[in-house]
Amino acid sequence: AQTIHQWPVAEIKAVGSPLSLGCTIKGKSSPNLYWYWQATGGTLQQLFYSITVGQVESVVQLNLSASRPKDDQFILSTEKLLLSHSGFYLCAWRRGRREVFFGKGTRLTVV
Amino acid sequence: AQSVTQPDARVTVSEGASLQLRCKYSYSGTPYLFWYVQYPRQGLQLLLKYYSGDPVVQGVNGFEAEFSKSNSSFHLRKASVHWSDSAVYLCVLSAGGNEKVTFGAGTKLTIKP
Repeated sequence: AQTIHQWPVAEIKAVGSPLSLGCTIKGKSSPNLYWYWQATGGTLQQLFYSITVGQVESVVQLNLSASRPKDDQFILSTEKLLLSHSGFYLCAWRRGRREVFFGKGTRLTVV
Repeated sequence: AQSVTQPDARVTVSEGASLQLRCKYSYSGTPYLFWYVQYPRQGLQLLLKYYSGDPVVQGVNGFEAEFSKSNSSFHLRKASVHWSDSAVYLCVLSAGGNEKVTFGAGTKLTIKP
């Protein structure tokens, strides 16, 4: 069975500090991977997607970047956090056009 | 372009009552539609999915949904709600290739005792 693991579970970071959120998929080769973000009380927005190692497409510009260094790993990062980056970040993978499987998410608070 | 509209941001029903949460979509091709539930401070769990065939699909915990191509809708139903059903429900459209998954804004369901 496929599993998706996100880390950390929660972070409290200062404005201007760097950030790195990680996501690992096990049990599925060459998954389509996604990063989503949800502001408090807001709608889930797709940030990035990747269909293969080394290839990442940006969907929404939020002064964040993403990388896919390995087939099973997807990293979301920024060198300088903004207050507006606070929210809930979800990593997901999708099987073709079918359902999306989500990680448990990372809650980020920027202070 | 594709979109998903959940017209009711908040719904409150009494425990034991029936429930319908509305979802309308816009997409010119064949949609793959899903309902997910999000409990507070947790990730998303799949309730049910529609790909093709019987327009009424059964999901977990007594939920079902009905797809209507003519109305471009995928409404979620439950015959008798329980207090544990309180959560945010998201209607999702998967279409347009590898990159495109569109979420509705969500409906926050509150169950009154």
